[in-house]
Amino acid sequence: EAQVTQNPRYLITVTGKKLTVTCSQNMNHEYMSWYRQDPGLGLRQIYYSMNVEVTDKGDVPEGYKVSRKEKRNFPLILESPSPNQTSLYFCASSQPGQKYYEQYFGPGTRLTVT
Amino acid sequence: KQEVTQIPAALSVPEGENLVLNCSFTDSAIYNLQWFRQDPGKGLTSLLLIQSSQREQTSGRLNASLDKSSGRSTLYIAASQPGDSATYLCALKDSSYKLIFGSGTRLLVRP
Repeated sequence: EAQVTQNPRYLITVTGKKLTVTCSQNMNHEYMSWYRQDPGLGLRQIYYSMNVEVTDKGDVPEGYKVSRKEKRNFPLILESPSPNQTSLYFCASSQPGQKYYEQYFGPGTRLTVT
Repeated sequence: KQEVTQIPAALSVPEGENLVLNCSFTDSAIYNLQWFRQDPGKGLTSLLLIQSSQREQTSGRLNASLDKSSGRSTLYIAASQPGDSATYLCALKDSSYKLIFGSGTRLLVRP
């Protein structure tokens, strides 16, 4: 089954404790991205990657890092989480030129930073 | 800067009613527009994608239209069912590598 998976689905952590949210897709998509969803602000892009070793900032990259060492994986790293990073996070993937860039989303990771 | 607006923010209808959800955008230079469904605490499920050169797309009871000149898209749901209750999001892709989302319409279909 074609899908985007994220782990963990739920995470409660404390300020300053480094964490990684994993994202993996099995569709051989070149393009992957991370979004955060906040009440009243909608979904906003954090980082995106056009292919392996190619990443770039989205609209709200502060406090986040990403890496793309393999095509299928695109982890989101919070080096020193703060309470304002409490949010619902989504990973997405798509393939340029395929189905008009239709994007597929993971199930989401709900992060709480205390 | 592209802005996407969805009105109304919430809608409650009785089962069986046909309904229309609205999405408006400020810049007509779009590549495509996607409608998503989001259930509480869940991810986004893609419902329909309309390429910029298309006027509408249909899937089952859903029909999405696109009018770039007026900066509008609508999602028509026929014969609504309680299982249609969810938040519906529209998102458009421009020349950049991201989707720009509206804030969503929360739909409740009452039995």
